[in-house]
Amino acid sequence: YVLTQPPSVSVAPGQTAFIPCEENNIGSESVHWYQQRPGQAPVLVVFSDSDRPSGIPERFSGSNSGNTATLIISRVEAGDEADYYCQVWDSSSAQVVFGGGTKLTVL
Amino acid sequence: QVTLRESGPALVKPTQTLTLTCTFSGFSFNTNEDCVSWLRQPPGKALEWLAHIDWDDDKFYSSSLKTRLTISKDTSKNQVVLTMTNMDPADTGTYYCARISDGAYALDDWGQGTLVTVSS
Repeated sequence: YVLTQPPSVSVAPGQTAFIPCEENNIGSESVHWYQQRPGQAPVLVVFSDSDRPSGIPERFSGSNSGNTATLIISRVEAGDEADYYCQVWDSSSAQVVFGGGTKLTVL
Repeated sequence: QVTLRESGPALVKPTQTLTLTCTFSGFSFNTNEDCVSWLRQPPGKALEWLAHIDWDDDKFYSSSLKTRLTISKDTSKNQVVLTMTNMDPADTGTYYCARISDGAYALDDWGQGTLVTVSS
């Protein structure tokens, strides 16, 4: 399993950010997303493709179909600037697998 | 409220063995689907999963590091311990422990991390 993310995504405040995570047939897996601000531990923001943990704003959502899972951040704010990682459980090898991470820049 | 805290040496020498302890609270680690994972992050690089241990003591390791890792738990102390042998400067980074609480293997709760530097 190799999860591919773009190194960076830029978006203006108030716009919608789309952060893709690609792998063959990822739509058949459960994908989770983490936000990591500089100097801080990661925080789960979306689990099981599109569910939000308690305390995560509704602006964070996700989708997963075919070969691409996507983290969607609506009405982007300056405080959303962070690294974002996708993650799956590869049951065939019993491994937790992360994408390489995407740095979200708010212009 | 679930909390996890990593502890261990900040500096180890090459070839030494690293021992890290994750002390947790807010869950008892005796319910089906409870797991604790160890992960790391080299400076400026991506997250890397290392190992995890289930509530019933099943253990899973990164295929690239499995020969160097051992994970264990002591539920009486609410602790999970990771050892990594033959440390190398490339192992420098922040080490995290995290909790998984469902079968989809999302890492719900994380410790703050502990920075380990490997240098002579």
